[in-house]
Amino acid sequence: DTGVSQDPRHKITKRGQNVTFRCDPISEHNRLYWYRQTLGQGPEFLTYFQNEAQLEKSRLLSDRFSAERPKGSFSTLEIQRTEQGDSAMYLCASSFGRDGYTFGSGTRLTVV
Amino acid sequence: AQSVTQPDIHITVSEGASLELRCNYSYGATPYLFWYVQSPGQGLQLLLKYFSGDTLVQGIKGFEAEFKRSQSSFNLRKPSVHWSDAAEYFCAVGAMGSGGSNYKLTFGKGTLLTVNP
Repeated sequence: DTGVSQDPRHKITKRGQNVTFRCDPISEHNRLYWYRQTLGQGPEFLTYFQNEAQLEKSRLLSDRFSAERPKGSFSTLEIQRTEQGDSAMYLCASSFGRDGYTFGSGTRLTVV
Repeated sequence: AQSVTQPDIHITVSEGASLELRCNYSYGATPYLFWYVQSPGQGLQLLLKYFSGDTLVQGIKGFEAEFKRSQSSFNLRKPSVHWSDAAEYFCAVGAMGSGGSNYKLTFGKGTLLTVNP
């Protein structure tokens, strides 16, 4: 296990289309987080899972966004009816206990 | 709610010079504090973390940070900067969330470090 994997690395989509991103955390990590990062900003919290349970969602996560973590393993983040304002880097991280988060390389979304 | 301020948006240093990146946090309880580094187009790599105990924390790549409760600060230092240290640096504070020992990270806006040869 070499770390947190995110797929795809880059996604270009037309406004109004749906997109789905995948995150594979480190296998022994029970917590998984999604963050969004726009240019010139630090990452902003979107949501987090402990095992398969989604325990917290940010108000940034509008009803167009949905995240799942079936069976407490990989996670998906779906954005429906994409808007240009959704263009950002979407970062996934996982953790166990009090260890620091391990981040993936991110998925860069461009909505045209 | 917790927050992090990184007062310096961009810092330029010469290779071999010392470095200090500033971080101030706001949090009502004992904070968990972190420094991450991000290279262009990449995810974030953990440099060091503070949970409790010794207020001077050693990290990877020769970095260290000092927690000063009285100043609500967690500044990152390195005695001699290398060209490969050029990147963006993020300070983060962890706030206890639901689920027991979990914490949620709140990040500052980052400091971009440029290293001159």
